[in-house]
Amino acid sequence: NAGVTQTPKFRVLKTGQSMTLLCAQDMNHEYMYWYRQDPGMGLRLIHYSVGEGTTAKGEVPDGYNVSRLKKQNFLLGLESAAPSQTSVYFCASTIGGANYGYTFGSGTRLTVV
Amino acid sequence: ELKVEQNPLFLSMQEGKNYTIYCNYSTTSDRLYWYRQDPGKSLESLFVLLSNGAVKQEGRLMASLDTKARLSTLHITAAVHDLSATYFCAVDKGGDMRFGAGTRLTVKP
Repeated sequence: NAGVTQTPKFRVLKTGQSMTLLCAQDMNHEYMYWYRQDPGMGLRLIHYSVGEGTTAKGEVPDGYNVSRLKKQNFLLGLESAAPSQTSVYFCASTIGGANYGYTFGSGTRLTVV
Repeated sequence: ELKVEQNPLFLSMQEGKNYTIYCNYSTTSDRLYWYRQDPGKSLESLFVLLSNGAVKQEGRLMASLDTKARLSTLHITAAVHDLSATYFCAVDKGGDMRFGAGTRLTVKP
């Protein structure tokens, strides 16, 4: 049981380049999330999905797009990377409902130069 | 908008002492979570609190929830070095989960 798998784990981009981060879960979870974590700011919600084919904006959605074409995958895209998007990105998922916690991936460290 | 505030942001404790971390949130919520994060690692779920008056304990950590005051506490009893980490509270409303800024705990011998 792999849980939540994020790829890649590390990436360096040049300003203006695009990339896609992949989050895959094998737990049949309905809800999936993308967060970014910056020093001293905790985790901030970028986008989330409450089921296959759905997406919603979080606190800091600008500059990012997402897609949830398959239930097990949640993709985060950066169309034109900026240095302000240098961060650690975490994906999380949950089955939803009361008393269920969230499972987090191991993170993707992205540097935009 | 759902906002979550934690305090203190930094906490340095002596081993064997007790302390409490506070988490306030701005609107009604469905669930409140506490997580632990070690440097360079992902987040580990500690507690899920659902209802007013809920209390959960695991080892030296005890979490409680007061939904009327919109306040959760994480109490540390007789701290040990292994508890050094960053602790986050998070509040979930309708699938939208927001985090506090985290409390960086250092336990010194």
